[in-house]
Amino acid sequence: SAVISQKPSRDICQRGTSLTIQCQVDSQVTMMFWYRQQPGQSLTLIATANQGSEATYESGFVIDKFPISRPNLTFSTLTVSNMSPEDSSIYLCSATKRGPTYEQYFGPGTRLTVT
Amino acid sequence: KNQVEQSPQSLIILEGKNCTLQCNYTVSPFSNLRWYKQDTGRGPVSLTIMTFSENTKSNGRYTATLDADTKQSSLHITASQLSDSASYICVVSGTFGNEKLTFGTGTRLTIIP
Repeated sequence: SAVISQKPSRDICQRGTSLTIQCQVDSQVTMMFWYRQQPGQSLTLIATANQGSEATYESGFVIDKFPISRPNLTFSTLTVSNMSPEDSSIYLCSATKRGPTYEQYFGPGTRLTVT
Repeated sequence: KNQVEQSPQSLIILEGKNCTLQCNYTVSPFSNLRWYKQDTGRGPVSLTIMTFSENTKSNGRYTATLDADTKQSSLHITASQLSDSASYICVVSGTFGNEKLTFGTGTRLTIIP
């Protein structure tokens, strides 16, 4: 299994500022991902965080808005840049380990409110 | 387009009763189907993972079924408890090792005493 922690757990930010969310896994994982979950909605994949290279972004998400780093096998950051109220959401980090089922583990999420 | 649809959107049942949640998917190719439980303010936690060759899988009071021919799955909860109140999300994976998951919108389950 894998235990994932995120910091901060929540934040209230002003429009136009940026916030960096940290994700730490307690063991080495194969892949790491960042998701967004808007209130009452399901999860939407933002990007796959690749170790030592640029993240792979899903349609509708761009690096300038959501820069991602993954310097090693257990840590990643997501920055939400130049925030607007539309960015208010829960941001979740997840990770998978190589194995028979590639089970995906999720962090507790970071609740972001932009005013 | 890959889609996962769940029903009902929300459900309220009395403690101790059973319930069944439904999931229909159109994801292709299909590798596996997962049910997650998400408590309010928490990340999703895996309940079951089933490949196309598995029809049923249990995890305590949770039993998931899969019909790969009709592309339907169900999650049955037996003898519900207050702690079962959560959102239950059906998730389908297209290819093993390619963790591109298609998420359903979830069923919000509320257990009342």
